[in-house]
Amino acid sequence: AQSVTQLDSQVPVFEEAPVELRCNYSSSVSVYLFWYVQYPNQGLQLLLKYLSGSTLVESINGFEAEFNKSQTSFHLRKPSVHISDTAEYFCAVKETSGSRLTFGEGTQLTVNP
Amino acid sequence: KAGVTQTPRYLIKTRGQQVTLSCSPISGHRSVSWYQQTPGQGLQFLFEYFSETQRNKGNFPGRFSGRQFSNSRSEMNVSTLELGDSALYLCASSPLIAGGSDTQYFGPGTRLTVL
Repeated sequence: AQSVTQLDSQVPVFEEAPVELRCNYSSSVSVYLFWYVQYPNQGLQLLLKYLSGSTLVESINGFEAEFNKSQTSFHLRKPSVHISDTAEYFCAVKETSGSRLTFGEGTQLTVNP
Repeated sequence: KAGVTQTPRYLIKTRGQQVTLSCSPISGHRSVSWYQQTPGQGLQFLFEYFSETQRNKGNFPGRFSGRQFSNSRSEMNVSTLELGDSALYLCASSPLIAGGSDTQYFGPGTRLTVL
């Protein structure tokens, strides 16, 4: 079984400041890692994913996450946030041989002007 | 390609009733998964269907059931509704690439309120 812990339930930041959303996971088998974003009254949108290869993965809107196997972490970062980044962010894992996503509790990112 | 669609978007039911939610996956996607999202429990996996067969099931009571049709569209049913079933029900589809590296794409969800 896997588990995911998102270490911060709420992260308030000012516009143009850097941000890090932390995610740790636990699994006895190999996993794939994902970050999803959810805007109010909407479903989940895939932000980025780590499947294999380079441990640093990037999204098209400036977010990046680094897979750290030794620390079992997959923290999400952005060097300069915008008001429009305000949303809830979910870290998720999936066994490489499975189909079920296991989610963390979510982190509400609020970007203030 | 059109994304995952879910109908209805909002639903209000009373305790004891039953409800059916529908999900149409992205064209070409053969796997459909369902998740329940609540403020208290977060996002929890309900079940997954592929080729009209349930491949995986989460830890939910038998009141929660689903099915998949030959065109990959899926429905989930909840019988004898309870107040605690109020939630956002999310459907996700994936192409099911060999090796499990496929990504799940989510629909907008159905907001179920049980009164």
